[in-house]
Amino acid sequence: EAQVTQNPRYLITVTGKKLTVTCSQNMNHEYMSWYRQDPGLGLRQIYYSMNVEATDKGDVPEGYKVSRKEKRNFPLILESPSPNQTSLYFCASSLSHYNEQFFGPGTRLTVL
Amino acid sequence: SQQGEEDPQALSIQEGENATMNCSYKTSINNLQWYRQNSGRGLVHLILIRSNEREKHSGRLRVTLDTSKKSSSLLITASRAADTASYFCAMAMDSNYQLIWGAGTKLIIKP
Repeated sequence: EAQVTQNPRYLITVTGKKLTVTCSQNMNHEYMSWYRQDPGLGLRQIYYSMNVEATDKGDVPEGYKVSRKEKRNFPLILESPSPNQTSLYFCASSLSHYNEQFFGPGTRLTVL
Repeated sequence: SQQGEEDPQALSIQEGENATMNCSYKTSINNLQWYRQNSGRGLVHLILIRSNEREKHSGRLRVTLDTSKKSSSLLITASRAADTASYFCAMAMDSNYQLIWGAGTKLIIKP
């Protein structure tokens, strides 16, 4: 089944404790993105990747890191999480940014 | 920065009525896409309209695009309770690889 998977789905952590949210797709897509969704603000793109070893900042990259060493995986790293990073995070993939985006189920992160 | 706007922010209608939501943007685009999100779940793609198209249909969905006004509308005809969701527009540009999203319209269909 074609899908985007994210792990974990739910995470409660404390300020400053490094964490990684994994994202994997099995559709051989070149384009992958991370978004955060906050009430009333819609989706904001954190980072995107056009292909392996090609990443760029979106609208809200501060406090986040990404890597794209393999085509299928695009992990999101929070080196030192802070409470303002409490949010719902989505990973998405597509053939290119021009094409239909396929979304993962989301990761609800709470930073205390 | 986010360059897409949607209105209304929320819309509540009776089942069977039509629902219209609008999206506006500020820069030239390659295409505009509409997505649906059910209650905190992942978004699902509904329809894509290219900048050289003016109207597109898919089932009960009708999308229009006016590039001179930099706006698009999504019409859902004969609404059903299952259409209750949030709807987002997303713009793909030629100038970079980003997708720009609207803030969404929350649609509630009353039985």
